[in-house]
Amino acid sequence: EVQLVESGGGLVKPGESLRLSCAASGFTFSSYNMNWVRQAPGKGLEWVSSISGSSSSMYYADSVKGRFTISRDNAKNSLYLQMNSLRAEDTAVYYCARDLSNVEYFQHWGQGTLVTVSS
Amino acid sequence: DIQMTQSPSSVSASVGDRVTITCRASQDISSWLAWYQQKPGKAPRLLIYGTTSLQSGVPSRFSGSGSGTDFTLTISSLQPEDFATYYCQQANSFPNTFGGGTKVEIK
Repeated sequence: EVQLVESGGGLVKPGESLRLSCAASGFTFSSYNMNWVRQAPGKGLEWVSSISGSSSSMYYADSVKGRFTISRDNAKNSLYLQMNSLRAEDTAVYYCARDLSNVEYFQHWGQGTLVTVSS
Repeated sequence: DIQMTQSPSSVSASVGDRVTITCRASQDISSWLAWYQQKPGKAPRLLIYGTTSLQSGVPSRFSGSGSGTDFTLTISSLQPEDFATYYCQQANSFPNTFGGGTKVEIK
């Protein structure tokens, strides 16, 4: 069974940093592209970032480009999102999601971790 | 960036009703479209990908159609567990973008 478990969320002040993690199990982690998708309170879904299985390609939403960095450790079956210079508008539940056979459909999702940016 | 526009933003329906949700892309995305269902406090669930392919385990009352810029999600006979918010998403190009969502409510 595919499992994705996010961690690392919390309350931070504007301008601070946070690192999210996603522990994956139940599949060959290195064979799949992985993604972060977020959802602000009461709002819709927003794709944040994607990384290929080999880490050769990374993509970012314009709203986070230059501030967030996606990475993965295939030996540890883990996905990360380093978030710097956080803003109030980054407040959201952050989901880790696995692609469907390396097409950008999000087949499996974690339960999400809440990031709150507030002074 | 490709913009995805869903309509309606909400719909009230009864159990047994046929419900149709539309999604329009700002440019041609061929068949690179998915639909998700999300219930309050839960992660989204992939329902349909590639416009028409039903994800494993999804009931056959869900179906998708369309191509190019105009797409439709149909629930043929609404069940109590289908009351949720539905999102379309394009997978044609980065940045991947979602529609604004359609909330299906009980009439």
